[in-house]
Amino acid sequence: ETGVTQTPRHLVMGMTNKKSLKCEQHLGHNAMYWYKQSAKKPLELMFVYNFKEQTENNSVPSRFSPECPNSSHLFLHLHTLQPEDSALYLCASSQDNHYGYTFGSGTRLTVV
Amino acid sequence: QQPVQSPQAVILREGEDAVINCSSSKALYSVHWYRQKHGEAPVFLMILLKGGEQKGHEKISASFNEKKQQSSLYLTASQLSYSGTYFCGTESPSGSRLTFGEGTQLTVNP
Repeated sequence: ETGVTQTPRHLVMGMTNKKSLKCEQHLGHNAMYWYKQSAKKPLELMFVYNFKEQTENNSVPSRFSPECPNSSHLFLHLHTLQPEDSALYLCASSQDNHYGYTFGSGTRLTVV
Repeated sequence: QQPVQSPQAVILREGEDAVINCSSSKALYSVHWYRQKHGEAPVFLMILLKGGEQKGHEKISASFNEKKQQSSLYLTASQLSYSGTYFCGTESPSGSRLTFGEGTQLTVNP
């Protein structure tokens, strides 16, 4: 365990399905992030939360909807996804923005 | 805008040295370095803050030239366990988020 736990590890969903990714950290960090990692591409920032407040939405399509109910949990709600959304979705946390990030192992998402 | 890493890939024999570079077209506040092994989470190696510092982590060290907006990661006497993809992440003075490079795939063979 890395200190940041993501579930599920693997997810296959149809384009009409609704699913949610979960991220949990008990490191006492106050910032949490969603990143998308596709093959042959750099890590792409999706959302940033500081003290449960969303501080950045990096032009992410509305079919991705984040939720941060408290400083330890972060969700990514998915609906009507496209095949090009298939990727590894990584959650990370840090103490403020100027310290090293702790990443979860990711959710491997396949949209069929 | 994402930082540019070079080389894209490097293959070493155990015990050899390597340098991975990261450069940005924007002013930087800090540079992070991470290593990701296949199927695993990226792992934080070190952070360098503006001021031109250099840091070390066992046989892995890094430098940050704020004026040139560049950072380099030095791996000396490489071990098999060093294999993986190395990412630099850069942070602007305005802060708030990291932007990652495309990664450098490092393979260390016996």
